Amino acid sequence: KAGVTQTPRYLIKTRGQQVTLSCSPISGHRSVSWYQQTPGQGLQFLFEYFSETQRNKGNFPGRFSGRQFSNSRSEMNVSTLELGDSALYLCASSLGGGPLSYEQYFGPGTRLTVT
Amino acid sequence: ILNVEQSPQSLHVQEGDSTNFTCSFPSSNFYALHWYRWETAKSPEALFVMTLNGDEKKKGRISATLNTKEGYSYLYIKGSQPEDSATYLCARGHNNNDMRFGAGTRLTVKP
Repeated sequence: KAGVTQTPRYLIKTRGQQVTLSCSPISGHRSVSWYQQTPGQGLQFLFEYFSETQRNKGNFPGRFSGRQFSNSRSEMNVSTLELGDSALYLCASSLGGGPLSYEQYFGPGTRLTVT
Repeated sequence: ILNVEQSPQSLHVQEGDSTNFTCSFPSSNFYALHWYRWETAKSPEALFVMTLNGDEKKKGRISATLNTKEGYSYLYIKGSQPEDSATYLCARGHNNNDMRFGAGTRLTVKP
């Protein structure tokens, strides 16, 4: 079974721009969660989507948004990029219960650099 | 603010040693506790998800326990091997649908 895939793997953007990251979950998984990993803050939960609906949300500003499509693929968008948004963005999928109570399978991540 | 704390921050052991780490978390509104192993240049790998007080889970040489009343979980590795070298993360699910990660324990196993 193919694992979680994320595209692109690396991205360089300029402050003020916007960016869209993509995540394809494991086949059959309906929950997709997004995480940000920075050296200073560690791994932080952004949000979780299930059946095209945002079900859980972490403590991030509204510049961070996402969506999920009917095939469970998910995109995350960050608008008006700031230097502090430079991070590794990970997505994870799980069967259905979401990140709180089910094992998650992580993708390789997208490394975003904002200059 | 929910703080998940892990100790020690790093650990160096010899091959064959057994070791354990601690994850401490606020006990109120607890939902679930996750353990992950994160090797350098790889994705985090789920080890355990525990929800009930007193839960004990085992996968090979690795096991974990959970005490939700006092707010801690232990991860044990028996007979450490060099391939166990990784950062071990715990994460606490809160019943307002948030999830908080600890900073991790970086384990190095020397041959």
